[in-house]
Amino acid sequence: DTGVSQDPRHKITKRGQNVTFRCDPISEHNRLYWYRQTLGQGPEFLTYFQNEAQLEKSRLLSDRFSAERPKGSFSTLEIQRTEQGDSAMYLCASSFGQGRVNYGYTFGSGTRLTVV
Amino acid sequence: AQKVTQAQTEISVVEKEDVTLDCVYETRDTTYYLFWYKQPPSGELVFLIRRNSFDEQNEISGRYSWNFQKSTSSFNFTITASQVVDSAVYFCALSVGDTTSGTYKYIFGTGTRLKVLA
Repeated sequence: DTGVSQDPRHKITKRGQNVTFRCDPISEHNRLYWYRQTLGQGPEFLTYFQNEAQLEKSRLLSDRFSAERPKGSFSTLEIQRTEQGDSAMYLCASSFGQGRVNYGYTFGSGTRLTVV
Repeated sequence: AQKVTQAQTEISVVEKEDVTLDCVYETRDTTYYLFWYKQPPSGELVFLIRRNSFDEQNEISGRYSWNFQKSTSSFNFTITASQVVDSAVYFCALSVGDTTSGTYKYIFGTGTRLKVLA
């Protein structure tokens, strides 16, 4: 499978616990994005990496959220001290970009987080 | 500000009917891309089409067609002879670039849930 892989597919956690999600982009893609989708809404941008550099973070990304892409390949999204409002689908996407053009923007299947 | 509006929350049609999903966007950028994605119950976003701001030609792909009109900032999607398998949530999205950060993110509408009844 050469698509964008996300792990786990589903996560149920108790309020206050920390969770970490992983995204493996398409191997030749240099750009990686995280989005959050709540019920009945479209995905909302969270953060963006070009190679290992995190170039933009949305104001939606509170201090409890941190994302890394240490070697410019896979990425992790960690949520500390989870709250019920964090329950959502977390989507990862990757693309190959040069300047203003993006090629092959592909979404993963997402990680569905439920905070109880 | 950039924004995508999908005013239709839910549409129900009977199989074989034609249906049009509306999308209106706002951006001050002159270079941008518009997209449609399908999200079936499995949750994955399935790419349907990309259109750049300089190409206003309508496009047809099988039973799908798209009408891009810059004058009205609309990018509408029509399914001809709908089928039950078309039932899903459809999202319209706008991609703009931030030359300062180098970010090219998507701004999604809230989606239209299409139900095709047998």
